[in-house]
Amino acid sequence: KAGVTQTPRYLIKTRGQQVTLSCSPISGHRSVSWYQQTPGQGLQFLFEYFSETQRNKGNFPGRFSGRQFSNSRSEMNVSTLELGDSALYLCASSLAGRQGAELFFGSGTQLSVL
Amino acid sequence: AQTVTQSQPEMSVQEAETVTLSCTYDTSESNYYLFWYKQPPSRQMILVIRQEAYKQQNATENRFSVNFQKAAKSFSLKISDSQLGDTAMYFCAFMTYTNAGKSTFGDGTTLTVKP
Repeated sequence: KAGVTQTPRYLIKTRGQQVTLSCSPISGHRSVSWYQQTPGQGLQFLFEYFSETQRNKGNFPGRFSGRQFSNSRSEMNVSTLELGDSALYLCASSLAGRQGAELFFGSGTQLSVL
Repeated sequence: AQTVTQSQPEMSVQEAETVTLSCTYDTSESNYYLFWYKQPPSRQMILVIRQEAYKQQNATENRFSVNFQKAAKSFSLKISDSQLGDTAMYFCAFMTYTNAGKSTFGDGTTLTVKP
């Protein structure tokens, strides 16, 4: 079974630009969640989608948005990039039920904002 | 709001020795999961072990075991017979039944296994 796939692995953008990150979950997983990882703030929850609906949202500004498609693939968009958005963005999928609450992570997208 | 605290930013252990990583959490929920995840230098985060709060028996996975003290809200990870491949950052995480899909993570403990 293929794991969680995130693309691209690395991105370099400049302030003010926007960026879209992609995540393909493990087959059969309907929950996809996104996390921002930085050295100073650790792992911060961004949002979670289940069956194309956003179920949970973290404390991030509206510049951070996401969506999920009918095949469970998810995208995350950050508009008007700021220097502080430089981080490793991790996507995780799960069965999101009693039978499987643990997260399966992708390798992440390293975003650098210059 | 749930919080997870890992009080040891860095730890080291000699190969073949045993090490324990600490984690405490705070919640008013009764039904939840606790996890330990490992993130090696490759950055690929993987699950080490999980515990459901209603289970009194501590979870074990080969060389990894936990000491779950529900009343004290403590969830420590013990690694026995440490190996060089155990060198990684370890994150303690928490998820409620009612909020499946949203995990709260501690700040992590960087573990170095020395030969």
